[in-house]
Amino acid sequence: KAGVTQTPRYLIKTRGQQVTLSCSPISGHRSVSWYQQTPGQGLQFLFEYFSETQRNKGNFPGRFSGRQFSNSRSEMNVSTLELGDSALYLCASSRYPQGGWEDTQYFGPGTRLTVL
Amino acid sequence: KNEVEQSPQNLTAQEGEFITINCSYSVGISALHWLQQHPGGGIVSLFMLSSGKKKHGRLIATINIQEKHSSLHITASHPRDSAVYICAVRSGSGGSNYKLTFGKGTLLTVNP
Repeated sequence: KAGVTQTPRYLIKTRGQQVTLSCSPISGHRSVSWYQQTPGQGLQFLFEYFSETQRNKGNFPGRFSGRQFSNSRSEMNVSTLELGDSALYLCASSRYPQGGWEDTQYFGPGTRLTVL
Repeated sequence: KNEVEQSPQNLTAQEGEFITINCSYSVGISALHWLQQHPGGGIVSLFMLSSGKKKHGRLIATINIQEKHSSLHITASHPRDSAVYICAVRSGSGGSNYKLTFGKGTLLTVNP
């Protein structure tokens, strides 16, 4: 069974640009969550999508958005990039929504975004 | 003060030693997760706990809800256990109304 895949793996952008990251979950998984990891702040929850609906959102500005498609693949978008957006962006999929009895998450390898 | 505190921040052990990593939190939670992150970024979910104790191979995780404390133990440590171990707590009123808070992580190095 294929794992969670994320594309691209590395990305370099300049301030003010926008970026779209993609996440393909494990087959059969309908929940996709996104996380940002930086050396200063550590891991932070961005949002969770389940069945094409945003189910929960972390404390991030509106420049961070996402969506989920009918095949459960998810994208996240960051507009008007800032230097502080440089981070490792991780997605994780699970069969059931977060908060349930069994919501083991399977993480992708991440996309390392550098904003210059 | 962070809602989730891990200790120690760094831990160096010799192969075969028994290791304990601690996680304390200050809010009421519905679940606590232990994650393992190897160099290069890949994260593996080790345990989800809401009470008691869980064991998987050489890994044991315990949680004391009253004391707001969890421990991750590694028995007979091995160099392949070298990684960052992250504690995460889920709080909130349930369903989709949850908040995830992560500890800063514990860097474990096991020397042969």
